Amino acid sequence: NAGVTQTPKFQVLKTGQSMTLQCAQDMNHNSMYWYRQDPGMGLRLIYYSASEGTTDKGEVPNGYNVSRLNKREFSLRLESAAPSQTSVYFCASRGEAGNNEQFFGPGTRLTVL
Amino acid sequence: SQQGEEDPQALSIQEGENATMNCSYKTSINNLQWYRQNSGRGLVHLILIRSNEREKHSGRLRVTLDTSKKSSSLLITASRAADTASYFCATGAQKLVFGQGTRLTINP
Repeated sequence: NAGVTQTPKFQVLKTGQSMTLQCAQDMNHNSMYWYRQDPGMGLRLIYYSASEGTTDKGEVPNGYNVSRLNKREFSLRLESAAPSQTSVYFCASRGEAGNNEQFFGPGTRLTVL
Repeated sequence: SQQGEEDPQALSIQEGENATMNCSYKTSINNLQWYRQNSGRGLVHLILIRSNEREKHSGRLRVTLDTSKKSSSLLITASRAADTASYFCATGAQKLVFGQGTRLTINP
């Protein structure tokens, strides 16, 4: 099993450009998450999806949109990128085994010029 | 806002020594988790301790939880170079809230 995969690994955008970060998991998890991590910081939740067809805002949702395409895939879209969105983005998923453990992807390093 | 705060922010020790990291949180919890992040990688779950537990072991890891002080500690015994990483505590259920992390460096 691949676990949680993310594409792309790296991306450079100009201010105002748009892009979609892709995430997929093959563990049949219901819950999926998007986080951002800024230098020297912990992770902050952008959006999450508790199940297919549902999405909810996290701590820092402004400037982002998400789509839970199906149970496997959860995408994050930046409609008009800003330099403040330069960060490393992590996708995660969580099973329903009751231990709350989240499984993380390798991250996408995004730079907005 | 961050729920947890790790202390220290950075820790550098010699290989073979023990490393202790602390986490404080603000609100009542059902459980607390610790994660490791190697440089440039995603987080990996290490251990979960429930609010009714005071101590938990997993290999060279020992986690304690003091709900009266709203704090937890992670002890790594007999450290190895491969333990060099950032360590984060996290609280919550459906949504996790992470601390800012402790950057641990093990010197050979």
